[in-house]
Amino acid sequence: RKEVEQDPGPFNVPEGATVAFNCTYSNSASQSFFWYRQDCRKEPKLLMSVYSSGNEDGRFTAQLNRASQYISLLIRDSKLSDSATYLCVVNIGTGRRALTFGSGTRLQVQP
Amino acid sequence: DAGVIQSPRHEVTEMGQEVTLRCKPISGHDYLFWYRQTMMRGLELLIYFNNNVPIDDSGMPEDRFSAKMPNASFSTLKIQPSEPRDSAVYFCASSHDPRYEQYFGPGTRLTVT
Repeated sequence: RKEVEQDPGPFNVPEGATVAFNCTYSNSASQSFFWYRQDCRKEPKLLMSVYSSGNEDGRFTAQLNRASQYISLLIRDSKLSDSATYLCVVNIGTGRRALTFGSGTRLQVQP
Repeated sequence: DAGVIQSPRHEVTEMGQEVTLRCKPISGHDYLFWYRQTMMRGLELLIYFNNNVPIDDSGMPEDRFSAKMPNASFSTLKIQPSEPRDSAVYFCASSHDPRYEQYFGPGTRLTVT
């Protein structure tokens, strides 16, 4: 089983739609969680951190479910500019191990 | 503030040649990471440094790859000799702590023919 798993998509949604992605992680000791966004031929950029109580940033909501070991990202009122690949990122375990990146979920918002 | 800086942005070379990729992390970040991204394998961590010391190089594919960080503001990733299967985008990233958010450079797109 991969340490971080995501549905690769693509998710094709119309403008204005609400779309949600899930990501599962294998290590129950994981401590920190993030969503990154990567545009075509660009570097990954931090979208938001994911906190235990859930958090929101404008149209984006991130949730963490430790019991089931998954995190989610909800995008409301999708814009064309939201089209990108969304990477789930997890710190696997304790100590100084670096972050582990999922393979990404591709979103295409259509007019 | 300047972000992570990488050079060159594009590199095309022939098989067997030496390739050197360069990275300048964000000032004040103690951790520097080298990643490789391909369609097939996604984003892979190659090596990371803390205070210029390599901490985990388990992702370095083979002896042809080497990385150095001679000071806090500069790192290199060298491939010698290069092979076509090394063609990928190589990203450098930096952070205050390996458990928390990392900031990526624009990447070097390497093509080995």
